[in-house]
Amino acid sequence: EPEVTQTPSHQVTQMGQEVILRCVPISNHLYFYWYRQILGQKVEFLVSFYNNEISEKSEIFDDQFSVERPDGSNFTLKIRSTKLEDSAMYFCASSVRAIGETQYFGPGTRLLVL
Amino acid sequence: AQTVTQSQPEMSVQEAETVTLSCTYDTSESDYYLFWYKQPPSRQMILVIRQEAYKQQNATENRFSVNFQKAAKSFSLKISDSQLGDAAMYFCAYRGTYNQGGKLIFGQGTELSVKP
Repeated sequence: EPEVTQTPSHQVTQMGQEVILRCVPISNHLYFYWYRQILGQKVEFLVSFYNNEISEKSEIFDDQFSVERPDGSNFTLKIRSTKLEDSAMYFCASSVRAIGETQYFGPGTRLLVL
Repeated sequence: AQTVTQSQPEMSVQEAETVTLSCTYDTSESDYYLFWYKQPPSRQMILVIRQEAYKQQNATENRFSVNFQKAAKSFSLKISDSQLGDAAMYFCAYRGTYNQGGKLIFGQGTELSVKP
């Protein structure tokens, strides 16, 4: 069964460093998403992406964040200058359409900022 | 703005018995989708069940079923014949149809433990 994959599974970085989290969505899916979950809290939406453009972004998704689909398979989330409060689990998800379709989640990347 | 509330931070059930997890939501939209996701200790988000608001019939998936009360804006999850593998955090989620970005709005989660 097709699934969303994410790399790395864990990443430790120093405050102020740039990190890139990578995702490979399910191949026939057209909509891509990033969510984050700070430990012990609920899952929060960051951004949705379609047709090489951001469809929607949350207040969390400020200028420090960017997303890109550099080729036909990968979908990346970049954090330019990490802060301690960026420590969280980051989930990538994909769906065939934005409306009416289930979003399938990847296993997540656990990011720790020291 | 839409909100999702799960008022039970923790629930416990005996193996083989039935448990119901509660979820309420607030929206002004008439058409939307509701989901239950399971998050085991691995923290992977796994879809359990989905419900379209325009459907009156409650969704079922094997041992999992929902009680969708649109007027009350309630969407509870019933797990029958609970198994040890059902132990996890369960999140209720909402997605509207007017929002073209398709974002999911999650509740705070309910931690379910299953006693042998």
